[in-house]
Amino acid sequence: NAGVMQNPRHLVRRRGQEARLRCSPMKGHSHVYWYRQLPEEGLKFMVYLQKENIIDESGMPKERFSAEFPKEGPSILRIQQVVRGDSAAYFCASSPTGVLNTGELFFGEGSRLTVL
Amino acid sequence: GQQVMQIPQYQHVQEGEDFTTYCNSSTTLSNIQWYKQRPGGHPVFLIQLVKSGEVKKQKRLTFQFGEAKKNSSLHITATQTTDVGTYFCAGGMTGGYQKVTFGTGTKLQVIP
Repeated sequence: NAGVMQNPRHLVRRRGQEARLRCSPMKGHSHVYWYRQLPEEGLKFMVYLQKENIIDESGMPKERFSAEFPKEGPSILRIQQVVRGDSAAYFCASSPTGVLNTGELFFGEGSRLTVL
Repeated sequence: GQQVMQIPQYQHVQEGEDFTTYCNSSTTLSNIQWYKQRPGGHPVFLIQLVKSGEVKKQKRLTFQFGEAKKNSSLHITATQTTDVGTYFCAGGMTGGYQKVTFGTGTKLQVIP
């Protein structure tokens, strides 16, 4: 059973370009969470999605950032017009249930974005 | 919003010494989870505590959940170099759905 798959593992973008990060949850998991981690810092919640629905995007910047989890295919975190401050590791996590879930989060290996 | 703080931020110990990290939430939690992140790696789930005052052990690791369900601790006995990494607590809140807020983390360095 494959774990949470994220790609690309490393992404370099110039300021003003777009970054697309993909996350395929574990088989059987329909709940996806995105977290951002700056170097030497903690994990900051960005967004929680279920298939075709955004449940909580309270941690997402209002501009330039968007996320989706379509019926088919991976979840995508999209960052438009990247700036240097967007350089970070972006982790995706999945869980089998979301509502009243008391189980663990399974994390992918992360996508490390560098903005030049 | 909910805040989860951990102390200390960094800890250096000699191999064989004990280590403890403390986690404090600004709000009452439904559960607390602990994760370990090795340098350059991703967070890996260690354990979850649900009941007030609960204590769980995993070999040299002891996890506690406070009576008021607002704080928790992780204690490692006789640290080894394999314990190196950052330990995060994560507070779970149920209010429609499980929202997990990660603590600030404690980075452990073990000196051989």
